[in-house]
Amino acid sequence: DAMVIQNPRYQVTQFGKPVTLSCSQTLNHNVMYWYQQKSSQAPKLLFHYYDKDFNNEADTPDNFQSRRPNTSFCFLDIRSPGLGDAAMYLCATRSAGANVLTFGAGSRLTVL
Amino acid sequence: GQNIDQPTEMTATEGAIVQINCTYQTSGFNGLFWYQQHAGEAPTFLSYNVLDGLEEKGRFSSFLSRSKGYSYLLLKELQMKDSASYLCAVIQGTGANNLFFGTGTRLTVIP
Repeated sequence: DAMVIQNPRYQVTQFGKPVTLSCSQTLNHNVMYWYQQKSSQAPKLLFHYYDKDFNNEADTPDNFQSRRPNTSFCFLDIRSPGLGDAAMYLCATRSAGANVLTFGAGSRLTVL
Repeated sequence: GQNIDQPTEMTATEGAIVQINCTYQTSGFNGLFWYQQHAGEAPTFLSYNVLDGLEEKGRFSSFLSRSKGYSYLLLKELQMKDSASYLCAVIQGTGANNLFFGTGTRLTVIP
C-alpha cells in the first residue's frame, strides 16, 4: 500500500498557468520534503517542513511556494510555470530521529 | 558544499555481478544512502551506511570508506528487473534535511 501519495501523477500546464501538486502521507512523519528532478539529473531539494516549520533552500526560486495545512498533507504551488520548470516533482517524508526518506511516486509536470 | 560523482551509465549481463562506485567530497559527512529509481518512478531505499565497512542485504551490498570518501553498491545475480538508475546520496551535517544526491548511474541489464 502506498504510504506517500502524490497527485496528480501527470500534470500538463501552459506557460504561466499556476499549478498545484499535492502530497499526502499515512506515516505520520514529522518531516516532508519537495524535490525537483529534471531528466537525467539528481533530485534537487526545493524546501522541507519540520512539523509546521518551513525551510526554504537558498536557491529555490520565488515562483515555488509550499503549504502544509496538517501533518498528512503538503502542497507545492508553482505560481507561473516556465518551460524550465518541466520536471518530476518528488515528495518525501521522514520520521524525526530517523535518516531514511520515503518517497512518493512523483508528479511529472509538462509545460507547454 | 558537496561533490558526488558516479558513472553515468553501466551495462551488465543477467546473472553477473556489478559494482557501482560513488565518490564524494563533503564537509560534515554523516551518512550515505543508495536508492534505486526505475524510469518514471520514485526512488526506493536500498541501503544506508554511516560506519566504514560492508552492509549486506540479500543480493545487494553497500560498502563505505569514510577516509577515502568512497562507497560502492554491489549487485549480485543480476536480474532484468535490476535495470534502473542507482542514486548515491550523502548527508551533510546533522539530520537528513541536508541530503544531497548524485546524478545517478543508469544500469542496463542485458540477457
